[in-house]
Amino acid sequence: DTGVSQDPRHKITKRGQNVTFRCDPISEHNRLYWYRQTLGQGPEFLTYFQNEAQLEKSRLLSDRFSAERPKGSFSTLEIQRTEQGDSAMYLCASSLQGFQETQYFGPGTRLLVL
Amino acid sequence: AQSVAQPEDQVNVAEGNPLTVKCTYSVSGNPYLFWYVQYPNRGLQFLLKYITGDNLVKGSYGFEAEFNKSQTSFHLKKPSALVSDSALYFCAVRVPRRGTDKLIFGTGTRLQVFP
Repeated sequence: DTGVSQDPRHKITKRGQNVTFRCDPISEHNRLYWYRQTLGQGPEFLTYFQNEAQLEKSRLLSDRFSAERPKGSFSTLEIQRTEQGDSAMYLCASSLQGFQETQYFGPGTRLLVL
Repeated sequence: AQSVAQPEDQVNVAEGNPLTVKCTYSVSGNPYLFWYVQYPNRGLQFLLKYITGDNLVKGSYGFEAEFNKSQTSFHLKKPSALVSDSALYFCAVRVPRRGTDKLIFGTGTRLQVFP
């Protein structure tokens, strides 16, 4: 159990550019979640996958955001045409299936849009 | 709407004293409750959870929490605080419901333990 990993840890980009983040979950976990955390706030849910199927998307996930988990292992979160309001910490978590199971979080990717 | 409230932005306590970080929730149905801790520029670390059974839940690093259904609260406690406990603490709720699976977080409470 090596934990959830995320890459990159930090990303600085200019407004209008596209960015992509990667998350590698704990190996046996079939659920994977993305959250966004802005300064002074708790994490907010964006989307989650069970294996390769994306089962739920928040209204926060605008058309500029897309997430994939093509083989049911790692996941990517892409933001197109970034805006300054996208600046935040993007957190990934994974868990086994079941509401009683614990979500384990990665270290996050901090995005700054200039 | 489901929500979690952490009424204190910051809690200050002297090392060795007991600490309490408060959390209340508003959900429909029977919630599962979680506490996480976040250190600067880091992700969230799981501390403990209440699913069912005994209302007093013990977790990592000597923390415990008490589920109170009538008061819809899930306060985090520790009998003797350490300086190293200083961090940001988040309460979260998860409502078992078909078609959805997410944690709803409070805004966080910053715990400062003074030597």
